Amino acid sequence: DAGVTQSPTHLIKTRGQQVTLRCSPISGHKSVSWYQQVLGQGPQFIFQYYEKEERGRGNFPDRFSARQFPNYSSELNVNALLLGDSALYLCASSATGPGGHSNQPQHFGDGTRLSIL
Amino acid sequence: KQEVTQIPAALSVPEGENLVLNCSFTDSAIYNLQWFRQDPGKGLTSLLLIQSSQREQTSGRLNASLDKSSGRSTLYIAASQPGDSATYLCAVSRPGGSEKLVFGKGTKLTVNP
Repeated sequence: DAGVTQSPTHLIKTRGQQVTLRCSPISGHKSVSWYQQVLGQGPQFIFQYYEKEERGRGNFPDRFSARQFPNYSSELNVNALLLGDSALYLCASSATGPGGHSNQPQHFGDGTRLSIL
Repeated sequence: KQEVTQIPAALSVPEGENLVLNCSFTDSAIYNLQWFRQDPGKGLTSLLLIQSSQREQTSGRLNASLDKSSGRSTLYIAASQPGDSATYLCAVSRPGGSEKLVFGKGTKLTVNP
């Protein structure tokens, strides 16, 4: 079975531009979360979506937004890019049930490497 | 605010050695704890998940323990191999709300042949 897939794998943008990152969860997984990982740090939580509803939001500015589609895939949008947005953006999915939170492990994709010039 | 610390930041061992990676967290009110490995330029691979009510989990040569009251977890790797070289991250989630994971910065492990 396919794991979590993310696209694109690499992206180069300039300051002020906008970017959209995409994620397809493992088949059957309804929960998708987004994380930002800068070099040398652990991932930082950005959003969780379950059944197209936002279940959690991390400490990120409003320039960051996300949505989840009926097929449970998800997009992360970042507007007005800053140099500090350069990072590896990771998507994770889990087999969480209706409560939106469970003891199911989160499975991560290989990420999108975003570089801002 | 939950904070997760991993010590040491880096570890180099000869092949075949048994080793322990440490993880500590400041708030004992966790829902579960997960250990991941990350290879350079790659995403995270889930290794073990320990529920808050559990004391340990085992998978092959890996054993993870959890002492919630003291805010500590250890990942034990038996008979280390060069293929175990990676960064190991621990992360905790809290009860209720979202599945937000709070990560440590990781321990970079190098196993020398």
